[in-house]
Amino acid sequence: DAGITQSPRHKVTETGTPVTLRCHQTENHRYMYWYRQDPGHGLRLIHYSYGVKDTDKGEVSDGYSVSRSKTEDFLLTLESATSSQTSVYFCAISEGRFMNTEAFFGQGTRLTVV
Amino acid sequence: AQSVTQLDSHVSVSEGTPVLLRCNYSSSYSPSLFWYVQHPNKGLQLLLKYTSAATLVKGINGFEAEFKKSETSFHLTKPSAHMSDAAEYFCVVSHNTDKLIFGTGTRLQVFP
Repeated sequence: DAGITQSPRHKVTETGTPVTLRCHQTENHRYMYWYRQDPGHGLRLIHYSYGVKDTDKGEVSDGYSVSRSKTEDFLLTLESATSSQTSVYFCAISEGRFMNTEAFFGQGTRLTVV
Repeated sequence: AQSVTQLDSHVSVSEGTPVLLRCNYSSSYSPSLFWYVQHPNKGLQLLLKYTSAATLVKGINGFEAEFKKSETSFHLTKPSAHMSDAAEYFCVVSHNTDKLIFGTGTRLQVFP
């Protein structure tokens, strides 16, 4: 299995509080991604990073921010959690663009906002 | 714009019978296509990928998929289902970009 660790694996938080999820990789891959998974929607891209300090928005980025200060760590922050952000969050990594590579996924973080 | 449509949200088969999970894609360029599997409460695992080489792609656990440009399809098949195949399957498209676009998933049930 690719060396991807997500923490925490489960979290319950209150509406309005900030939350940070961490993704740590040991593969030295350039690209890192945050997705959310919701029933009926598949996985949707929140933000991604193509290098240290280089990030870009995905299709559902509102209410989320990210940071990548080291190759191995990619943080996802919910600035003020809302119930609509209750979801399962997956981190993924890849070596490069998807013509010749694939994405490897972490085990997921189940976040509940009450 | 890229998109992918999984035509069935649920598929049920009996153990030992063939599996067909359907996927159509939309892409302006030659796409890369993937099938990922997710077992309950697990992360996603790559089953197979198409990246403009052979149109019939073989993957793990006996799965295969055929890229048909004329039909814009990339259906996943397996000759004989096993109980352990019960999972959710995602068809995914990319065209040499930094992003993967996921379908909404097909839940496969396998009955004994």
